[in-house]
Amino acid sequence: EIVLTQSPGTLSLSPGERATLSCRASQSVSSNYLAWYQQKPGQAPRLLIYGASIRATGIPDRFSGSGSGTDFTLTISRLEPEDFAVYYCQQYTWSLWTFGQGTKVEIK
Amino acid sequence: QVQLVESGGGVVQPGGSLRLSCAASGFTFSGYGMHWVRQAPGKGLEWVAFIRYDGSYKSYAKSVEGRFTISRDNSKSMLFLQMNSLRTDDTAVYFCLARDVRNDFDGWGQGTLVTVSS
Repeated sequence: EIVLTQSPGTLSLSPGERATLSCRASQSVSSNYLAWYQQKPGQAPRLLIYGASIRATGIPDRFSGSGSGTDFTLTISRLEPEDFAVYYCQQYTWSLWTFGQGTKVEIK
Repeated sequence: QVQLVESGGGVVQPGGSLRLSCAASGFTFSGYGMHWVRQAPGKGLEWVAFIRYDGSYKSYAKSVEGRFTISRDNSKSMLFLQMNSLRTDDTAVYFCLARDVRNDFDGWGQGTLVTVSS
């Protein structure tokens, strides 16, 4: 089973600042099958990025994904008030999914 | 518009069983793989199980393998999760999810709460 480790656990930032979230895999992951989700309290997760770097439909261009192999990054270029939430990376290999433990982006 | 509605959650004693259902609409259910994902109170997301679009292949997280069974009825656009030998650490909100990993097709239900407690 591939383990995804996200860092930091919590990111305290102000609106307008840049957020950089990391996701490290215990073994190589196909970039085709690495995704990022956003979850707000009481809501189901929302797909932000798939294929490591492709924005899902309707996702603002301030969100970007990058990386390959075992190291992946989600960047939010300028935080908007609605971006404060928990973010999860997720991978799919051999029909098995795993999620990272999440990074909470909170208002400083 | 993808719509997924879970039902069947509730309170059950350790060792008991429960069957979750997910009613799908707004998309061609028989064309997509389906998943169950759970979230314990205050915790992160945990993938539980996957079933191929035609039911020919299933996969499970190690934590539930041998206890949970995923199934589907394409004629009724329904997804199921049979949960046996439930443990207290199975307590979570259970979401059904339609997902095509090759693109951004991604739909979630609102979740159903399963509480395993004596």
